[in-house]
Amino acid sequence: DSGVTQTPKHLITATGQRVTLRCSPRSGDLSVYWYQQSLDQGLQFLIQYYNGEERAKGNILERFSAQQFPDLHSELNLSSLELGDSALYFCASSDRAGNTGELFFGEGSRLTVL
Amino acid sequence: GENVEQHPSTLSVQEGDSAVIKCTYSDSASNYFPWYKQELGKRPQLIIDIRSNVGEKKDQRIAVTLNKTAKHFSLHITETQPEDSAVYFCAATFGNEKLTFGTGTRLTIIP
Repeated sequence: DSGVTQTPKHLITATGQRVTLRCSPRSGDLSVYWYQQSLDQGLQFLIQYYNGEERAKGNILERFSAQQFPDLHSELNLSSLELGDSALYFCASSDRAGNTGELFFGEGSRLTVL
Repeated sequence: GENVEQHPSTLSVQEGDSAVIKCTYSDSASNYFPWYKQELGKRPQLIIDIRSNVGEKKDQRIAVTLNKTAKHFSLHITETQPEDSAVYFCAATFGNEKLTFGTGTRLTIIP
């Protein structure tokens, strides 16, 4: 158990819909990262938050948005969903702002868009 | 740009033999290079990492080497065991802000 909690574990929805994925980081970790893993693909970095502020941005689509709340949990919002958005979305946390330490990944949220 | 290339994409080795996975990165300023292992249906987990001021690091059967001049680093697994079967991802930091992952290597250990 990494200490990172993601909900829901599985989500099936239709094209055009909107979903919210939730992540609670490890106790004490201030950084939260979101990654997308499509079938047989690598881990695509989406966005990072540190202590409530956006820290770094990757290849995140404009239809996607995220935020980190005062209690440090984070939400990833995916809207106007397309078939290609079907993927495993991982949240990870770390105890530092910069990317020079271990990332602790959650179990992921598997999104299926039909 | 921020790019990490990883080879091979698949690798099968006989149990007990060694496995080597190689990665190259594009940014000469990258200073942190972790390796993550993802077992089937599981989350990625860090197995070893190396920083730019070190050329080699070992942890039991696993070792990582870094060649900053050539901008490549490699994962070496010796005396492979069935539980080593997984997808392995290399990664590199860019500007200390983004951790970019390679595309992964599916390692299969043949009993």
